[in-house]
Amino acid sequence: AAGVIQSPRHLIKEKRETATLKCYPIPRHDTVYWYQQGPGQDPQFLISFYEKMQSDKGSIPDRFSAQQFSDYHSELNMSSLELGDSALYFCASSLSMGEKLFFGSGTQLSVL
Amino acid sequence: GQNIDQPTEMTATEGAIVQINCTYQTSGFNGLFWYQQHAGEAPTFLSYNVLDGLEEKGRFSSFLSRSKGYSYLLLKELQMKDSASYLCAVRDPSGGSYIPTFGRGTSLIVHP
Repeated sequence: AAGVIQSPRHLIKEKRETATLKCYPIPRHDTVYWYQQGPGQDPQFLISFYEKMQSDKGSIPDRFSAQQFSDYHSELNMSSLELGDSALYFCASSLSMGEKLFFGSGTQLSVL
Repeated sequence: GQNIDQPTEMTATEGAIVQINCTYQTSGFNGLFWYQQHAGEAPTFLSYNVLDGLEEKGRFSSFLSRSKGYSYLLLKELQMKDSASYLCAVRDPSGGSYIPTFGRGTSLIVHP
């Protein structure tokens, strides 16, 4: 069965650079979520989209932005990267809001 | 706000049974999830409880008591591959959001 696809799998950036993470949800899933997980930490919710509109906003820094496109894929744009942004970034999708989440394999971002 | 508590770490022997507890304090409640996460990998869905009682699924069972704000995940016939982090996540729609909030996770170590 198709799963949530994230790219890239690993990303190395330097401070003050920008990064773009991509997420392709499971077909027919209309809700996408972004989570950030630091080492040994629980996943922290950043932002979500339902039917291409932002539906919820969590602890997403102002330096980050995201959108969901017409084909339902989503991109997380991160600017002015800081060392503390180094983390595993997960995208998840669900059939609709309120359904169980299926996670992608994540993007490991390292900011040097 | 939401407060989700789980033990940080547990150890158990291969073939044994282990119970991982999760307590929560939320303004509202609309379901509790259990996810399994191996190091560096995506969380994978294990179970979902929205009504009181026990849900059994093979070697894994999950229990919920809404009045006590309490859930547990029961793992039977433990295998080495069950060594992972187990995340409890609660959905609280009282603020208009259906986003699950994750606990810190319980790191389970299964030894021979």
